[in-house]
Amino acid sequence: AQSVTQLGSHVSVSEGALVLLRCNYSSSVPPYLFWYVQYPNQGLQLLLKYTSAATLVKGINGFEAEFKKSETSFHLTKPSAHMSDAAEYFCAVTRMDSSYKLIFGSGTRLLVRP
Amino acid sequence: GAGVSQTPSNKVTEKGKYVELRCDPISGHTALYWYRQSLGQGPEFLIYFQGTGAADDSGLPNDRFFAVRPEGSVSTLKIQRTERGDSAVYLCASSLSTSQRDTGELFFGEGSRLTVL
Repeated sequence: AQSVTQLGSHVSVSEGALVLLRCNYSSSVPPYLFWYVQYPNQGLQLLLKYTSAATLVKGINGFEAEFKKSETSFHLTKPSAHMSDAAEYFCAVTRMDSSYKLIFGSGTRLLVRP
Repeated sequence: GAGVSQTPSNKVTEKGKYVELRCDPISGHTALYWYRQSLGQGPEFLIYFQGTGAADDSGLPNDRFFAVRPEGSVSTLKIQRTERGDSAVYLCASSLSTSQRDTGELFFGEGSRLTVL
């Protein structure tokens, strides 16, 4: 079975500070991993994805994530937070043989202080 | 339309009533998905359509839930004899491909918020 754990339901950072959102996964088979973002009153939007190519994945809006198999982690980072980054972020995993079925974490709400 | 459209955006109903939620995917997307997001949780998979057929309905919680996609485009999620525990945001998504070699990006709608009193 697969699962995703996102540590911290809320993360607060100052504008300009480093953003680090944590995601650990459990999977018995090689996974595909994703980060989705949900802005207020909008649908979920793909930030980035890992599909077994490069372990450091760059996404939209300056976000990136690194797949670390030894740590079963896929943490999301951004060097400098912007007010517009305030949103809810979801980590998700799928199996390579059923890549349509996303298993989501419970989400982390990012607050950016001026 | 440009994105995935879901109607209604909000639905309040009474326990025991029947509810239909509609999803209009992005034109040309053959794959369509329904997810359910309860308060404080991430979305949970319900069902996946490839074309007109339900390729995987393993996430439907029980037989009160049913979904159709008769012409391979618009889909309707149907909930019979609603219960208070059905209250959630129901998300629809579509994608061009579910190929393993080209993991299809899912494009989500804004969701239909269902409240069962």
